[in-house]
Amino acid sequence: DAGVTQSPTHLIKTRGQQVTLRCSPKSGHDTVSWYQQALGQGPQFIFQYYEEEERQRGNFPDRFSGHQFPNYSSELNVNALLLGDSALYLCASRGTGREQYFGPGTRLTVT
Amino acid sequence: AQSVTQLDSQVPVFEEAPVELRCNYSSSVSVYLFWYVQYPNQGLQLLLKYLSGSTLVKGINGFEAEFNKSQTSFHLRKPSVHISDTAEYFCAVSPGGYQKVTFGIGTKLQVIP
Repeated sequence: DAGVTQSPTHLIKTRGQQVTLRCSPKSGHDTVSWYQQALGQGPQFIFQYYEEEERQRGNFPDRFSGHQFPNYSSELNVNALLLGDSALYLCASRGTGREQYFGPGTRLTVT
Repeated sequence: AQSVTQLDSQVPVFEEAPVELRCNYSSSVSVYLFWYVQYPNQGLQLLLKYLSGSTLVKGINGFEAEFNKSQTSFHLRKPSVHISDTAEYFCAVSPGGYQKVTFGIGTKLQVIP
């Protein structure tokens, strides 16, 4: 049983560009959350998707947007990249249980 | 809103010695509590969780944690650490349901041979 997968593993972008990160949840899971983990910090909640809709959102600007597909996979889009967007982006999925399962993350570097 | 405070940013400990990683939380409602471990360049792995019931929770890799409601704490312990336990540990809290999870800033555990 594959766990949560994310792509790409690493990404380098320039300020002002746009980026799309992808996540496939663990089999049987229908809820996907995205987190940003800056260097030396704990993960910060960006948003959560369920039934293809954004159900909750953390304190992130509208430059951060997402999407969930009918197969429960999800994308995180970030527009107008800033240097401060450099971080590890983590995807987590959950099913009917209360714990989340995390993917390995995508390391985004903005130069 | 919930918040988590991890009182130690780094904890060095000799191999085979016991360790305690401290976590305090703040919430106006009942919460679920979690400990996650993150090895270098990897995602987070769930160590253990407290949802309800017994306040002493046992997890993977020999770790355990005790929920103390009066002190709003959820400290993580292991009686004898191994080199392979060197990692960063995150305490997290959620009000339950499908509510978001709030993480602490992490504690780096360094096991010294």
